[in-house]
Amino acid sequence: AQKVTQAQTEISVVEKEDVTLDCVYETRDTTYYLFWYKQPPSGELVFLIRRNSFDEQNEISGRYSWNFQKSTSSFNFTITASQVVDSAVYFCALSESNYGQNFVFGPGTRLSVLP
Amino acid sequence: DGGITQSPKYLFRKEGQNVTLSCEQNLNHDAMYWYRQDPGQGLRLIYYSQIVNDFQKGDIAEGYSVSREKKESFPLTVTSAQKNPTAFYLCASSIYRGPETQYFGPGTRLLVL
Repeated sequence: AQKVTQAQTEISVVEKEDVTLDCVYETRDTTYYLFWYKQPPSGELVFLIRRNSFDEQNEISGRYSWNFQKSTSSFNFTITASQVVDSAVYFCALSESNYGQNFVFGPGTRLSVLP
Repeated sequence: DGGITQSPKYLFRKEGQNVTLSCEQNLNHDAMYWYRQDPGQGLRLIYYSQIVNDFQKGDIAEGYSVSREKKESFPLTVTSAQKNPTAFYLCASSIYRGPETQYFGPGTRLLVL
């Protein structure tokens, strides 16, 4: 069965520090997709990235970067030089291509960036 | 601007009352979803719809009902059978069902009086 674990419930950092949010997943499918979403205090989930299981290249988008490692079933998210506006709950999610196809969300990691 | 709207932002339910949450999208997406989020937890799927006039139960459908009469609209009714309805409800849509990116509305917070 598919499962997503985000072991860090809450993280606090001081502005300009780098921070990594961990995501570990379980799946029986060989083709699957991983996602990260940001949920600011307003509540709406904002899409950040989608990555398929065949593309293990790391991705960088501004201060955001993602490290996908199939060998450890992890899809970690790093924010470089964090800012107060990065304070939010971050969710990792998994969707399989062949089984169910529904999203499974992790429990989320609450990031607080202090000025 | 394309997007997903949900209304109302806050909703209060009395005991024994059915309430309906609205979700509208103008993204021309075929698939729509309803999720429930409880404090400190992830999202759980209530119902989803792949196409007009078709919908399927998710993981926690008991006490909820939906309809999909138009492509743009996917309202969720929280019935009196749902004994613990207090939660944050999020609607989402994707171009097709499956591992496609889901885009979310701003959510409705339901409180029981």
